[in-house]
Amino acid sequence: DAKTTQPTSMDCAEGRAANLPCNHSTISGNEYVYWYRQIHSQGPQYIIHGLKNNETNEMASLIITEDRKSSTLILPHATLRDTAVYYCIVRVGAAGNKLTFGGGTRVLVKP
Amino acid sequence: DAGVIQSPRHEVTEMGQEVTLRCKPISGHDYLFWYRQTMMRGLELLIYFNNNVPIDDSGMPEDRFSAKMPNASFSTLKIQPSEPRDSAVYFCASSRTSNTEAFFGQGTRLTVV
Repeated sequence: DAKTTQPTSMDCAEGRAANLPCNHSTISGNEYVYWYRQIHSQGPQYIIHGLKNNETNEMASLIITEDRKSSTLILPHATLRDTAVYYCIVRVGAAGNKLTFGGGTRVLVKP
Repeated sequence: DAGVIQSPRHEVTEMGQEVTLRCKPISGHDYLFWYRQTMMRGLELLIYFNNNVPIDDSGMPEDRFSAKMPNASFSTLKIQPSEPRDSAVYFCASSRTSNTEAFFGQGTRLTVV
């Protein structure tokens, strides 16, 4: 699976949009971009994933650049409960579901 | 569905003892994963199963670790003998197919003294 690069940490104001970048410059054509988050003392939680088109669900939006070398996770209206470590993962869509976690971005939502 | 259920939530044991961690995946999910999380190494995939068959155990640290999945609704991760460096949070996860999202349990916090 391709490696990803994320900022170590970032702060966000409550009620504002949080934009979390991820670099995956070595991504292959058959690799998806997945985002998970881990709130303190809990198991990781799936947020969203995409291949090349932008995706949106009830939790977040995923913007993938046209060359697919980077992506941004957008939390439209951050709340204090969104404070967590956010992981960007790229993996092959088929033939196995091996999720390899990196260091992630520690997001602190401040009042 | 109650989600992925792990037991126990916390385990404290003495070095040298056998430890068994348990996991009940979500019904209908064909894939099951065991992860370990420490401050130093983050989240590491230990092993995963497809339809109860181990597919990739390359992440299992050494022979002291073993995992089984005797049926679709139960899996165990055993450490024998346990060592202090095995102290970590162990997560179990399951997914319906090979390319759908994985759902994680709440984890088992293991402390080996």
